[in-house]
Amino acid sequence: GENVEQHPSTLSVQEGDSAVIKCTYSDSASNYFPWYKQELGKRPQLIIDIRSNVGEKKDQRIAVTLNKTAKHFSLHITETQPEDSAVYFCAASNPPTSYDKVIFGPGTSLSVIP
Amino acid sequence: DAGVTQSPTHLIKTRGQQVTLRCSPKSGHDTVSWYQQALGQGPQFIFQYYEEEERQRGNFPDRFSGHQFPNYSSELNVNALLLGDSALYLCASSLTKGRLGTIYFGEGSWLTVV
Repeated sequence: GENVEQHPSTLSVQEGDSAVIKCTYSDSASNYFPWYKQELGKRPQLIIDIRSNVGEKKDQRIAVTLNKTAKHFSLHITETQPEDSAVYFCAASNPPTSYDKVIFGPGTSLSVIP
Repeated sequence: DAGVTQSPTHLIKTRGQQVTLRCSPKSGHDTVSWYQQALGQGPQFIFQYYEEEERQRGNFPDRFSGHQFPNYSSELNVNALLLGDSALYLCASSLTKGRLGTIYFGEGSWLTVV
């Protein structure tokens, strides 16, 4: 069935360093890959997404890359700040066929040490 | 522009009881999905409603049921509650006709079963 794997499960970086989170997906029909940030006790919030017709997307300090052949996608955060500390979830879906059913990875707990 | 709203925010129920959670989607959205997020895990897809019908369902028992109203709001019902049903229940809204696949989460309802 559909599955999204995510690594690492925990990540600790020094403030100012970069953080990279990697995901793989099983459904080759997936064409939409959002990333969510969830702070403790709060809802997941969409921070960036990428569609299968592009290989890379950047928004300030955050970038995502997608390799459809390998079914890999990654989140890159540069110049990390303490407020980046949170759990990050990658996800995959197949709109319009799957009608927005989004499959989430297990999450990466990122800690940015001041 | 109203976001996704959920109620109640927190509730405690006893094993065997029934619970109803409510969700109003983001303004302009027509599709509501429900997710269960256990502590330390990613959101798990329960089901999705569109045009007042259940369109997709994840791997959840029949104890989990739902409804969508003509104004697109939705309810999640869980019968015969088990301790393992304790989780954050997230409602997500999207626009099927937009075919973009982007979903937005509400703040969630924290359910504790004792």
